Amino acid sequence: DAKTTQPTSMDCAEGRAANLPCNHSTISGNEYVYWYRQIHSQGPQYIIHGLKNNETNEMASLIITEDRKSSTLILPHATLRDTAVYYCIVRGRMDSNYQLIWGAGTKLIIKP
Amino acid sequence: SQTIHQWPATLVQPVGSPLSLECTVEGTSNPNLYWYRQAAGRGLQLLFYSVGIGQISSEVPQNLSASRPQDRQFILSSKKLLLSDSGFYLCAWKTTSGLTDTQYFGPGTRLTVL
Repeated sequence: DAKTTQPTSMDCAEGRAANLPCNHSTISGNEYVYWYRQIHSQGPQYIIHGLKNNETNEMASLIITEDRKSSTLILPHATLRDTAVYYCIVRGRMDSNYQLIWGAGTKLIIKP
Repeated sequence: SQTIHQWPATLVQPVGSPLSLECTVEGTSNPNLYWYRQAAGRGLQLLFYSVGIGQISSEVPQNLSASRPQDRQFILSSKKLLLSDSGFYLCAWKTTSGLTDTQYFGPGTRLTVL
């Protein structure tokens, strides 16, 4: 089972900030939060990851709450090309190793 | 820089036919390699992962198999395809150095079994 909870879908107006929430209440102290996105019929694209501190790169910002039980991915100026399914992921234990466990993600639709 | 290749991009196969999908990675050594399958509208399901040549771990029992004949080559196979094998197959790699689990994905293979 996925260790994260995300809304099924969201809309955002082009040019506005898109804020995508994620709950990960069972996250362990040494587990990172990862964000990927998948544009239709393409392989997932890595966006950003973080442990405790907020992170920013050329694609997005990641805000992690102090208790680390939730996070928000921020796309500061959404464009039509940001329409995709966004996945929030933490590690989970599978067999004898830890792997990334993928949920269904949030379908983000950017509207003109 | 690192790149990952998958082929073919699309494939239509009859039920009962064999399958071979190939994935290669460039620009890195001794990566962890992964095969995922994605059904329409769903998240990714991990099928196999490999931490080295000849080392394969299976996450889901099925009629698929994987092999890693070379450090940067990962192959997904089946002797007889089922209708339920249709889906989007994705290969990914991860560096074995560092502390994070960031995986990088190939473009995928769309498999339709008829």
